[in-house]
Amino acid sequence: EAQVTQNPRYLITVTGKKLTVTCSQNMNHEYMSWYRQDPGLGLRQIYYSMNVEVTDKGDVPEGYKVSRKEKRNFPLILESPSPNQTSLYFCASSNGVVNIQYFGAGTRLSVL
Amino acid sequence: AQTVTQSQPEMSVQEAETVTLSCTYDTSENNYYLFWYKQPPSRQMILVIRQEAYKQQNATENRFSVNFQKAAKSFSLKISDSQLGDTAMYFCAFIWSYGKLTFGQGTILTVHP
Repeated sequence: EAQVTQNPRYLITVTGKKLTVTCSQNMNHEYMSWYRQDPGLGLRQIYYSMNVEVTDKGDVPEGYKVSRKEKRNFPLILESPSPNQTSLYFCASSNGVVNIQYFGAGTRLSVL
Repeated sequence: AQTVTQSQPEMSVQEAETVTLSCTYDTSENNYYLFWYKQPPSRQMILVIRQEAYKQQNATENRFSVNFQKAAKSFSLKISDSQLGDTAMYFCAFIWSYGKLTFGQGTILTVHP
């Protein structure tokens, strides 16, 4: 089954404790992306990757890091989380920049 | 910078009726793509419909159709014969070849029986 898998689905952490949200897709997609969703703001792109070892900033990259060492994986790293990073996070992939994006189920992150 | 605006935070419609959700965008690009995504209470993001800017013909997917007005930078979604399962938040989104995808703020649609 074609899918984008995010883990964990829910996470509660404390300020400053490094965390990683994993994202994996089994569709051999080149394009992958991370978004955060906040009430009244819709989804905002954090980082995206056109292919292995190719990443670029979206609209809200501050406080986040990503890496794309393998085509299937695109982890999101919060080196020192802060409460304003409390949000719902989505990973997505597609077989081309302008094609349909397939979304993961989302990760609800709370930073205390 | 590209911006996408959905001016209707909430909409409601009776089952079997038709509803139109509005979306406007701002860009200096000529070749781009527009999408409508649906997010039901399960939070899963589901593609509803896609429109290429270079195509004049409006996209249609079963009960869902768009009214794409390129000159006016408008991209509205029409849902015909509304069903209870259409209750969700709907997001308009814009992307061009550079890779940045911009979403609107979302419209919560409630379908009443």
